[in-house]
Amino acid sequence: AQKITQTQPGMFVQEKEAVTLDCTYDTSDPSYGLFWYKQPSSGEMIFLIYQGSYDQQNATEGRYSLNFQKARKSANLVISASQLGDSAMYFCAMRAFSFGNEKLTFGTGTRLTIIP
Amino acid sequence: KAGVTQTPRYLIKTRGQQVTLSCSPISGHRSVSWYQQTPGQGLQFLFEYFSETQRNKGNFPGRFSGRQFSNSRSEMNVSTLELGDSALYLCASSLGPGQGPSGANVLTFGAGSRLTVL
Repeated sequence: AQKITQTQPGMFVQEKEAVTLDCTYDTSDPSYGLFWYKQPSSGEMIFLIYQGSYDQQNATEGRYSLNFQKARKSANLVISASQLGDSAMYFCAMRAFSFGNEKLTFGTGTRLTIIP
Repeated sequence: KAGVTQTPRYLIKTRGQQVTLSCSPISGHRSVSWYQQTPGQGLQFLFEYFSETQRNKGNFPGRFSGRQFSNSRSEMNVSTLELGDSALYLCASSLGPGQGPSGANVLTFGAGSRLTVL
């Protein structure tokens, strides 16, 4: 079974500062993917960044980067130069790729609030 | 490129009724999965369909069912609604299985259908 742990229920960050959202995962499957999604108050789940278990480099997408430490089973999201529009819920999720385990398992989320 | 479309966006039902939610995936995506989001239980996997076949199923009672059509559009149905079924129901589409841990496995979500059961 897969498990995602997000230990920060809420965070307050000053605008323009960098922020790190923590995520640890647990799986026995060697082939998996890690995702970060943003969910604003409207409810839509917006894809931010993806890291495959065999990827050698940390994923980056604009202001988002994923700090992937495979041995520690952590996949922290780093947002550089935060903006007011970054205020939202952030979910870490993983998906294993063995048959029957391919569902997306989500963490409990971190509510990020950017302070002007 | 159009995103994932879910209808209806909002609906109100009473206990005992049934409801059908619809999801149209991104063009070319053949896999559709459904998730339920509630404040108490968070995001929980309902089921996944690929090529009109259910590939995976979460731990929900038989009142929750789904299907996928030949054009990859999917519907989910909840019968005999209970108060606890009030939730945001999210649909996600992806290319399908067999991609391995490549970036092609990204799931794209729709805006959700918010169901309130009174």
